Amino acid sequence: KQEVTQIPAALSVPEGENLVLNCSFTDSAIYNLQWFRQDPGKGLTSLLLIQSSQREQTSGRLNASLDKSSGRSTLYIAASQPGDSATYLCAVKLQETSGSRLTFGEGTQLTVNP
Amino acid sequence: DAGVTQSPTHLIKTRGQQVTLRCSPKSGHDTVSWYQQALGQGPQFIFQYYEEEERQRGNFPDRFSGHQFPNYSSELNVNALLLGDSALYLCASSLGVIEQYFGPGTRLTVT
Repeated sequence: KQEVTQIPAALSVPEGENLVLNCSFTDSAIYNLQWFRQDPGKGLTSLLLIQSSQREQTSGRLNASLDKSSGRSTLYIAASQPGDSATYLCAVKLQETSGSRLTFGEGTQLTVNP
Repeated sequence: DAGVTQSPTHLIKTRGQQVTLRCSPKSGHDTVSWYQQALGQGPQFIFQYYEEEERQRGNFPDRFSGHQFPNYSSELNVNALLLGDSALYLCASSLGVIEQYFGPGTRLTVT
């Protein structure tokens, strides 16, 4: 059974700081990994998707890396802003014969203070 | 292009009642998945529909059932509601197994 863990559970940083969020998973036979952002009481916004054959993806100030063999991914946020405050979730999709269920971690709640 | 839409936004039900939640996928998508997210936790996979059939199911009791219509929209039904069913219910759509896009969710409160 795939398990996904995110560390830390919560993080509070001053504006402008660079930060790293961590995600680990137990089954390395993944198809892809996605990072999502969730604002309180809202749905999920996809930030980055990394295919199993890729090592990293970048979008603006965000960079996600994937080390499938060690079961780890990191989300790097450069020059954090108060608007980055949200919960960040990682999710993995296993290599399965059919279906595309995502297994999520419990998230990292980020607060960026002005 | 409208993204994934869900209705209603909020819902309050009493224990033992039944509820139906609705989801319209993003244009061009043929696969719909449902997730339950309890407060402070990550989403948990309920089931996935493709070509009007349930293709995958998570570890949820038979009280949770669903349906997909020919236009790819979907319903989630929950019977005999329990207090523990209170959660944010998220719908996601995709084209096959490619990237999933999530709707805004339906907040269900069971009293």
